[in-house]
Parts: sequence; structure tokens; C-alpha cells
Amino acid sequence: DVKVTQSSRYLVKRTGEKVFLECVQDMDHENMFWYRQDPGLGLRLIYFSYDVKMKEKGDIPEGYSVSREKKERFSLILESASTNQTSMYLCAGATGETSTDTQYFGPGTRLTVL
Amino acid sequence: RKEVEQDPGPFNVPEGATVAFNCTYSNSASQSFFWYRQDCRKEPKLLMSVYSSGNEDGRFTAQLNRASQYISLLIRDSKLSDSATYLCVMATGGFKTIFGAGTRLFVKA
Repeated sequence: DVKVTQSSRYLVKRTGEKVFLECVQDMDHENMFWYRQDPGLGLRLIYFSYDVKMKEKGDIPEGYSVSREKKERFSLILESASTNQTSMYLCAGATGETSTDTQYFGPGTRLTVL
Repeated sequence: RKEVEQDPGPFNVPEGATVAFNCTYSNSASQSFFWYRQDCRKEPKLLMSVYSSGNEDGRFTAQLNRASQYISLLIRDSKLSDSATYLCVMATGGFKTIFGAGTRLFVKA
């Protein structure tokens, strides 16, 4: 059974803090994604990575960066957390060369920035 | 205008009812379509892909209408366990995937 894990289910941080969200997949998937999910807006793509050390901006990359040093691990970094980054963050992995393949999601991290 | 639009609902239906959701999209270059299901406080999971010819998986039927740019999901004989949020998903090729905001379904006994 495929598995994507995220480091925390719930996280509370202060404005200005640097925040690391970790995601690990055991599916040997090339592609990994970070989304945020907000009520009424659905999932919005922040960044994706199609290979180790490779990354591409999604629709809302501002205020975020990512790191992929190993194939199984994809980290999302909030350089200086702000209250408008309070959200549910979902990591996903997918095989194949395009977004037409099934994405497998982790359980999500609910981040609150105070 | 959002690239993918769904009626947020909620749809409240009794067990055994048939319910249908539509999802419209604005990008005519969209290549692939999917329905994902998301249970409360859980992650989204693929329900089914949507093909031009239509496809069926048990009680679920998905249709794609490229001319009118919408996809649909039909659920027959609704079960309590069908209660969830249904996300319409569109892929334009490459790595770009667009998720709708979701339609909430409540099935009541």
C-alpha cells in the first residue's frame, strides 16, 4: 500500500518564524507536490518537484520555498510565517511524467500562524 | 473566473437516492479529468478518472462533455458511506493540475 507521511498533523507557529514542513513517500515516485487547501478555494499548487534537486513553481509560490535533496523527501519552507499562511498543507506523490497520473496524498498538516 | 467551478452544495440526500454533480472548466486545452473523494479531516483520494466515452465503476458513473466543457459524476443508490466532499480535477499536461473547491454530499438514513 502506498504511503505518504507528513511530519506533523497540527502545528502552531508565531508570525515571523521559519517553518519546515516535511513529507516522505515510500512509493519511489519521481514527482512530488505541495498544496494548500482553504475553504472555498480548493487545493492550490505551491511547488512541485519532478526529480531530486529539481523544482518548479506552482500557482502560489510567494512566501514559500522547497527542498528535495533525496527522492523520498520533499520539504516545504515558510521563510517568515505570516497569518495568511494559516492553512491545511497537503503533500502528494505521483509516478509518471505528467500530472495525468494519480496523486497520492499525505494526511495533511494544519498550520496555524499566530 | 475560476478554471474549475463546482457547486459547493451541500447536497443532502436520503439513502438510496441518485445524485449528480457537475463541474465546469474554462481551459479547452485540458487533457485529463478526475474525480477525487475527500472525507472529513482526511486527504483526497482518487475516485475515478473521466474519459470522453464515459466510464462506470459500480454505482458511480463519470461523463465528460468537451463541447460544453463540463464533467459530471452520478452516484446511484447512495450509501451513508458516500458522505464526503467530491473534488473535480483537471490536468492540462505537464505537471499542472487544477482542483475544484469541492462539492459536499451528505447521505442521510
